[in-house]
Amino acid sequence: DTAVSQTPKYLVTQMGNDKSIKCEQNLGHDTMYWYKQDSKKFLKIMFSYNNKELIINETVPNRFSPKSPDKAHLNLHINSLELGDSAVYFCASSPSLGENGETQYFGPGTRLLVL
Amino acid sequence: GDSVTQMEGPVTLSEEAFLTINCTYTATGYPSLFWYVQYPGEGLQLLLKATKADDKGSNKGFEATYRKETTSFHLEKGSVQVSDSAVYFCALSARGGADGLTFGKGTHLIIQP
Repeated sequence: DTAVSQTPKYLVTQMGNDKSIKCEQNLGHDTMYWYKQDSKKFLKIMFSYNNKELIINETVPNRFSPKSPDKAHLNLHINSLELGDSAVYFCASSPSLGENGETQYFGPGTRLLVL
Repeated sequence: GDSVTQMEGPVTLSEEAFLTINCTYTATGYPSLFWYVQYPGEGLQLLLKATKADDKGSNKGFEATYRKETTSFHLEKGSVQVSDSAVYFCALSARGGADGLTFGKGTHLIIQP
């Protein structure tokens, strides 16, 4: 029933490790996103995918690599984790890229803590 | 670039008080404007939106009017409840989904019984 789901919900790991976060949407949307929410709750877009193609890549370190095996899934792989990567990562989806007014639907978030 | 400015909290009110959370924006073109709400430990949910000037978005007793002349989208509610305690984010979309949403820094609202 969940429209946008993410796994895992919590992730605690050591600096230098590689980890992945998975996202799935069952809304039939064409466009998916990753956002990062920092400790002060500020949200910033990281990536956007439309029909499995990367559309934007904000100034995100190349240690972060999104992968979209199909338009219902958008995974985020992070190499060589750093302390500053600790944050909450939100996946979102919207029907398409085309319209300003389209609602984005957010997942519950993945809370990443790097020790 | 595009930006959203909103009052930062925490904002503490008593139950049944009137709520206003200010939001102003800077954007090229004609953005759509949104209010999202984040309850403790949860993801973001759309509260309301407006896609053109003078539109009013409303939901669950909350309202906001898209004011192009003042580049504002202030959130209001006539009588708040304890269950309204959450973080509220003002956001805009200026070029469709290509740029994602640009968010304000969020306002933490605390309603006391």
